[in-house]
Amino acid sequence: GAGVSQSPRYKVAKRGQDVALRCDPISGHVSLFWYQQALGQGPEFLTYFQNEAQLDKSGLPSDRFFAERPEGSVSTLKIQRTQQEDSAVYLCASSLAGDFPLTQYFGPGTRLLVL
Amino acid sequence: GQQLNQSPQSMFIQEGEDVSMNCTSSSIFNTWLWYKQDPGEGPVLLIALYKAGELTSNGRLTAQFGITRKDSFLNISASIPSDVGIYFCAGRSGAGSYQLTFGKGTKLSVIP
Repeated sequence: GAGVSQSPRYKVAKRGQDVALRCDPISGHVSLFWYQQALGQGPEFLTYFQNEAQLDKSGLPSDRFFAERPEGSVSTLKIQRTQQEDSAVYLCASSLAGDFPLTQYFGPGTRLLVL
Repeated sequence: GQQLNQSPQSMFIQEGEDVSMNCTSSSIFNTWLWYKQDPGEGPVLLIALYKAGELTSNGRLTAQFGITRKDSFLNISASIPSDVGIYFCAGRSGAGSYQLTFGKGTKLSVIP
């Protein structure tokens, strides 16, 4: 079966540009997570959706970061006015139920490079 | 953000050797997880631990949930070349929490 997919896989942006990163979770998965992984670091939590509701956005580093999941399936992470420190891999994960992170399935990530 | 203390940062071993890595935290976790990440891919879950003192195996992998709930270790026995990758520990702090806190990873290289 299909896993979590993310697009684009690679994105190069000029500083100040807006970018949009897409995540297609596993069909039927209720919960969706976004993580940011800087080079040489572990993933860091950004935000969490249960269906279309964004229940936690405490990990978003600034108000330039915005995530949505309007129909409870596909999610988009948008970064406005990108800065060099935004360069990282952005990972999306989905799970059948929000209470069990052990079942979080990760996508391959989008590698964002801001020049 | 908070990250767990994971060691060693990297290790080079001969094929067939056993490997041990660990993870510590200043905070208590109720769940410990171990993931492996290959280049260009997302992390893949290897083992999940739910109780203090629990010892769980998955093939050549064995992991333990520390009694203090502030640490965990992962052992890989008889390493093979495909064990190469970055291993991450991750913790979940409570039943109502869905956030995972990750370590910085241990990069494993296996010399054939």
